[in-house]
Amino acid sequence: SQELEQSPQSLIVQEGKNLTINCTSSKTLYGLYWYKQKYGEGLIFLMMLQKGGEEKSHEKITAKLDEKKQQSSLHITASQPSHAGIYLCGADGGAQKLVFGQGTRLTINP
Amino acid sequence: DAGITQSPRHKVTETGTPVTLRCHQTENHRYMYWYRQDPGHGLRLIHYSYGVKDTDKGEVSDGYSVSRSKTEDFLLTLESATSSQTSVYFCAITVGLQGNTIYFGEGSWLTVV
Repeated sequence: SQELEQSPQSLIVQEGKNLTINCTSSKTLYGLYWYKQKYGEGLIFLMMLQKGGEEKSHEKITAKLDEKKQQSSLHITASQPSHAGIYLCGADGGAQKLVFGQGTRLTINP
Repeated sequence: DAGITQSPRHKVTETGTPVTLRCHQTENHRYMYWYRQDPGHGLRLIHYSYGVKDTDKGEVSDGYSVSRSKTEDFLLTLESATSSQTSVYFCAITVGLQGNTIYFGEGSWLTVV
């Protein structure tokens, strides 16, 4: 079965700094989803990547998919307090059934 | 939020009692899913549906059943709740022909005492 490993598990950065979160799969990635979750709330869809080399951006968040490395990265530029939360990656295991990583907890210090 | 409503949002129930969680969507999307989220395990798929009366098991389906008699409703039933089923339950739907977006509901917090 497919497994996703996210790194780091926890990240504390100062406001204004850039940061990167990685998601590595044990199998070939055919679709990779990124979500953000705040404690006690639901998952907010950020973006979905399908093709090797694909890169998408939304506001200050950019995600890339490296099929050869079976890896995706999420990069936040000039972090803000609103970026704090848990970031989850999910891989499409077929029929859009997602397998998730454990999540990366992001804290932004003012 | 893609028009997903989960109910109840919070529930405390006793061991051995049946519990049904409801996921309602307003836009006739075909694929619907139930996940549970637990510390140390992340999100795991319980059951999913690809149409009315078409359902299948996910990774952690034991102790759960589902039904989908209408496109808009996907019900998750715990026939006899156990403490191990204390969790946060999320419903999800696939939007778009190529499944480009999967939206999640707000979650249902279930405590089995």
